[in-house]
Amino acid sequence: NAGVTQTPKFRVLKTGQSMTLLCAQDMNHEYMYWYRQDPGMGLRLIHYSVGEGTTAKGEVPDGYNVSRLKKQNFLLGLESAAPSQTSVYFCASSNRLNEQFFGPGTRLTVL
Amino acid sequence: SQKIEQNSEALNIQEGKTATLTCNYTNYSPAYLQWYRQDPGRGPVFLLLIRENEKEKRKERLKVTFDTTLKQSLFHITASQPADSATYLCALVNNAGNMLTFGGGTRLMVKP
Repeated sequence: NAGVTQTPKFRVLKTGQSMTLLCAQDMNHEYMYWYRQDPGMGLRLIHYSVGEGTTAKGEVPDGYNVSRLKKQNFLLGLESAAPSQTSVYFCASSNRLNEQFFGPGTRLTVL
Repeated sequence: SQKIEQNSEALNIQEGKTATLTCNYTNYSPAYLQWYRQDPGRGPVFLLLIRENEKEKRKERLKVTFDTTLKQSLFHITASQPADSATYLCALVNNAGNMLTFGGGTRLMVKP
């Protein structure tokens, strides 16, 4: 089992560019999450999904969109990147709100 | 507002001693609390979950306590080793029961 994988691992964008981060899990988990982690701020939830075809806003959803078309995949989109979105992004999955399994992270820099 | 507080200052201890990390929370009524370990450049890894009706939980050299009156959880690592050096995060289910909120984490440094 690969667990939770994230693509890409690193990315540099210019302000205004768009991109999609892909998260995949092979544990048949219902719940999936996108977090961002900034120094001194800890992990903050952006969006989450409790099942295929459903998404919900987390703590800091502005500037991001998500889709969960397949149970195993959860996509995070940035339509118009801003320097404030420079961060490390983590995807996680779980069964309900039990232990969460995290991916290795994506380091995004917006210039 | 709901708040989770962990000591943002690094905790430095000598190998073999017991490390104790604190997680305090306000305006939460969590059914359970979780602890995670995070190494530099990696995603968090789940360690332990303790429910509100459990006072203490152990796993090998790890021990977690949960005091819902004090609104505090203590995380202990006994016989600490340099390999235990990492950042430790606590996490609570929010009152709506639909998401996990993480504290800022405490960095532990175990010196040989």
